[in-house]
Amino acid sequence: EAGVTQFPSHSVIEKGQTVTLRCDPISGHDNLYWYRRVMGKEIKFLLHFVKESKQDESGMPNNRFLAERTGGTYSTLKVQPAELEDSGVYFCASSRSRGAVYEQYFGPGTRLTVT
Amino acid sequence: SQQGEEDPQALSIQEGENATMNCSYKTSINNLQWYRQNSGRGLVHLILIRSNEREKHSGRLRVTLDTSKKSSSLLITASRAADTASYFCATVVFGNEKLTFGTGTRLTIIP
Repeated sequence: EAGVTQFPSHSVIEKGQTVTLRCDPISGHDNLYWYRRVMGKEIKFLLHFVKESKQDESGMPNNRFLAERTGGTYSTLKVQPAELEDSGVYFCASSRSRGAVYEQYFGPGTRLTVT
Repeated sequence: SQQGEEDPQALSIQEGENATMNCSYKTSINNLQWYRQNSGRGLVHLILIRSNEREKHSGRLRVTLDTSKKSSSLLITASRAADTASYFCATVVFGNEKLTFGTGTRLTIIP
């Protein structure tokens, strides 16, 4: 089966601009997660979708970040307006079933650079 | 403070040797997972150990968990050049599904 895909792989934007990241989970996976790693720090959870509903968005840093998952398939993460501290690698992951003991499958990440 | 911290931050060993990485965490957990990340790639799940388990094996991997010390170790035996990667531990607490990652160990296998 195809893995989790993310687009774009790299994005370089100027401070104040808008960027939209896309994640396509593995087909049939209801759970979709966003994480990010800023330079030199650990990978941090952003939010969790179950189908099209936000199950947990406790990790979203502020209201400049908007995540959607219309139709319960792919998801987008929009940053508007982008700030310098938003630079980092944004990972998407998906899993088939609910529950803490199910493996999460990660995409390759989108490297975002805000200048 | 971080939930998970790996030790060491970087490790270089000769091919064929064993590599041991440690992870410490701060809160009670449901399970602990280890992931590998090759350069420029996504994270790959290696192994999951539940809070009521003490040791688990998968191929050349051996994971231990000591909940009294809030620590885990990952042992890779007979290392290969392809094992060169960053390794992360991640914890999951009860009542939640999100992964809380440590800072990672960068492992380099010298051919």
